[in-house]
Amino acid sequence: AQSVTQLDSHVSVSEGTPVLLRCNYSSSYSPSLFWYVQHPNKGLQLLLKYTSAATLVKGINGFEAEFKKSETSFHLTKPSAHMSDAAEYFCVVSDPQGGGADGLTFGKGTHLIIQP
Amino acid sequence: DGGITQSPKYLFRKEGQNVTLSCEQNLNHDAMYWYRQDPGQGLRLIYYSQIVNDFQKGDIAEGYSVSREKKESFPLTVTSAQKNPTAFYLCATAGGTSGPSSYNEQFFGPGTRLTVL
Repeated sequence: AQSVTQLDSHVSVSEGTPVLLRCNYSSSYSPSLFWYVQHPNKGLQLLLKYTSAATLVKGINGFEAEFKKSETSFHLTKPSAHMSDAAEYFCVVSDPQGGGADGLTFGKGTHLIIQP
Repeated sequence: DGGITQSPKYLFRKEGQNVTLSCEQNLNHDAMYWYRQDPGQGLRLIYYSQIVNDFQKGDIAEGYSVSREKKESFPLTVTSAQKNPTAFYLCATAGGTSGPSSYNEQFFGPGTRLTVL
């Protein structure tokens, strides 16, 4: 079975400082991993995805994530936070041969707060 | 959101009523999904459909029903059997034809917020 753990339910940073949102996963096979962002009362937007190519993945809006198989992690980072980054972030694992009706497992989300 | 329309944006239901949430897509994607989102719980899969006239239960299908009569449309009915329907409902789509578990990227609609009065 696959699972995703987002280690922080809330993260607060000051504008202009680095952002780190942590995600650990478990999967029996080679997974695909995603980060989605959700602004209030909106749908989810894909930030970036890892699908067994380069382990450092660059996404939109200056975000990037590094796949570390030895640590089973896929942490999301951004060098400098902007007020518009305030949102909910979801880490997602896709394991075609794993459990779940559709092979996608969502983390519970991390709420990113940006202090002015 | 582009290409996926959900309506209405807000919906209010009285206890004992059935209500239907609309999801339409023009992405020509084969697969469509319905998720329920509650605060602090992430997304949970209700139903999904890989192809017209076929659909499968997800993890929390009880109290819900769906149909897939057209490729573009996947409406969700919240029945009176769903005891706690107040939530944010998200529709998603994905391409491919080899089963939902192999679709890597899903595209999401803007959501419908359902409130039971």
